[in-house]
Amino acid sequence: RKEVEQDPGPFNVPEGATVAFNCTYSNSASQSFFWYRQDCRKEPKLLMSVYSSGNEDGRFTAQLNRASQYISLLIRDSKLSDSATYLCVVNGGSGDKLTFGTGTRLAVRP
Amino acid sequence: ETGVTQTPRHLVMGMTNKKSLKCEQHLGHNAMYWYKQSAKKPLELMFVYNFKEQTENNSVPSRFSPECPNSSHLFLHLHTLQPEDSALYLCASSPKIGAGEQFFGPGTRLTVL
Repeated sequence: RKEVEQDPGPFNVPEGATVAFNCTYSNSASQSFFWYRQDCRKEPKLLMSVYSSGNEDGRFTAQLNRASQYISLLIRDSKLSDSATYLCVVNGGSGDKLTFGTGTRLAVRP
Repeated sequence: ETGVTQTPRHLVMGMTNKKSLKCEQHLGHNAMYWYKQSAKKPLELMFVYNFKEQTENNSVPSRFSPECPNSSHLFLHLHTLQPEDSALYLCASSPKIGAGEQFFGPGTRLTVL
């Protein structure tokens, strides 16, 4: 089983759509969780952290279910500029390194 | 701009060449990392440095040799590479080791012929 597993997509959605990405992780001792965004031919950048109580940043909502070892990212009212690859990232039980998923590609069309 | 720079941005080398990748961070961070990103694979952590001391070598072949002369600079020395080593090599830094937010450089696109 992969340490961090994501649906690779691509997700092709029209502008204004709501889209959700899911991620599962295998290490139950994982301590912290993040979503990174990587644009085509660019470096990854932190999008948001994921907290146990769920958190929202504008059109983006992240949820964590520790019991199911599952993380989600919801994007509402998609914009063309949201087109990118979204990486699920987990800080492992030892706490000193990040483990990345392969990413889910999103393409928002006009 | 992330404050992490990498040179060169692109590199083509033969299997017998020796080359070095350079990374510099201007953020005052104490931890630095090398990652490899290949198509359709997750980012693979290669090396971790904390206060210029190597704390992790993720079973990386010896043809990759890191060097960290100080907390702001990180090198990856390459020799006798294989075509399967062709990938994007990303450097990152964070304020402290294990921090959730890492700041990445733009990467070096390496092609081994």
